[in-house]
Amino acid sequence: DIQMTQSPSSLSASVGDRVTITCRASQSISSYLNWYQQKPGRAPRLLIYAASSLQSGVPSRFSGSGSGTYFTLTISSLQPEDFATYYCHQSSSTPDTFGQGTKLEIK
Amino acid sequence: QVRLQQWGAGLLKPSETLSLTCAVYGGSFSGYYWSWIRQPPGKEPEWIGESNHSGGTNYNPSFKSRAALSVDASKNQFSLKLTSMTAADTGVYYCGRYTGYTYGYFDSWGQGTLVTVSS
Repeated sequence: DIQMTQSPSSLSASVGDRVTITCRASQSISSYLNWYQQKPGRAPRLLIYAASSLQSGVPSRFSGSGSGTYFTLTISSLQPEDFATYYCHQSSSTPDTFGQGTKLEIK
Repeated sequence: QVRLQQWGAGLLKPSETLSLTCAVYGGSFSGYYWSWIRQPPGKEPEWIGESNHSGGTNYNPSFKSRAALSVDASKNQFSLKLTSMTAADTGVYYCGRYTGYTYGYFDSWGQGTLVTVSS
């Protein structure tokens, strides 16, 4: 299975900050990388697919980049509703696997 | 806009079989893979398997011996059975729509079912 490793595991930031979360794959996955946001008690919500494509309805402050084994999710200006846990997900090879998550907390 | 609604028993005893069903409303049932994903408490999601509208299936090898996926296209529903449940199977189980002919991703999710395995 392809292992996905996110960093940091947790992050404290303030409203208006620019934050970047990284995700590394144990082998090349081209651009088969997606990002999700999850709030407590809720299902994950797709933010970014194919490494850099913004899902319909997702604010433009979210952006993704990368290819191969290194990927980033950037939130350009944190809003109060952005404090949540973020997961990367690879769909390059079966089984699909997820990163361990990055919990974004209010400073 | 597609909506997924799932149901099934949430409290099981060890060795029992989990049975969950997910109904798809407001969208096409064909052309997608319909998936089950579980999330242990405090951990990342884990893909269990998927089925298409005609019954074709793919499984995570970690679950293949215990999982059985099925579809009822006449009702726009798909189901999961997971046998020999243990405490390690406790978590929230989600159904989801897997989209994308080139780059696959889960773009719609059910509300989740909390499954607890305890004697």
